[in-house]
Amino acid sequence: DQQVKQNSPSLSVQEGRISILNCDYTNSMFDYFLWYKKYPAEGPTFLISISSIKDKNEDGRFTVFLNKSAKHLSLHIVPSQPGDSAVYFCAVGGGLTGGGNKLTFGTGTQLKVEL
Amino acid sequence: DSGVTQTPKHLITATGQRVTLRCSPRSGDLSVYWYQQSLDQGLQFLIQYYNGEERAKGNILERFSAQQFPDLHSELNLSSLELGDSALYFCASSGTGANSPLHFGNGTRLTVT
Repeated sequence: DQQVKQNSPSLSVQEGRISILNCDYTNSMFDYFLWYKKYPAEGPTFLISISSIKDKNEDGRFTVFLNKSAKHLSLHIVPSQPGDSAVYFCAVGGGLTGGGNKLTFGTGTQLKVEL
Repeated sequence: DSGVTQTPKHLITATGQRVTLRCSPRSGDLSVYWYQQSLDQGLQFLIQYYNGEERAKGNILERFSAQQFPDLHSELNLSSLELGDSALYFCASSGTGANSPLHFGNGTRLTVT
């Protein structure tokens, strides 16, 4: 049973435009939400996070939005740059994930930023 | 560079064999996590250790085991390997804060032939 879903396996955006990546989760007990970026042949790199007490967190070009009632998380990248081309994973933690800081990951969205 | 080191980068072995993957966490991190990424799959949590003790367990097969040593490095042992065990195996470490993000190594690519 997939607890974290990224329904778009791929997304293509023009340079300078906004990229919006989406993520849905099933359990309202999750209380910590993160986005990771992964380039080929590298491990996932932490990008930005948000706790359940907030609905928005911003860091430079990256903003994460949390809609708890809809159990939906999104990542906005503005403006998109070619170097942003990577696979983006959303991850959730806390609640029923089993203790510790264990994270449950979505299947990823491949973002391609075109010139 | 995340500061997490995994060796080897690549491993090719035959079915039925046993392999050991090694991970050195970031300096100061007490928690180590192991994840498996199969083709077209997300990262599946296997197991977490904190300061030498098992802390959380995911869907880790009985053929797989792990440990964390006093110097905090960790090893993931995979035995009686099957073709389906071919995957990327990632190690991550984190600090002690409740919501400390995980920092990942570059993974070990295991190919079972």
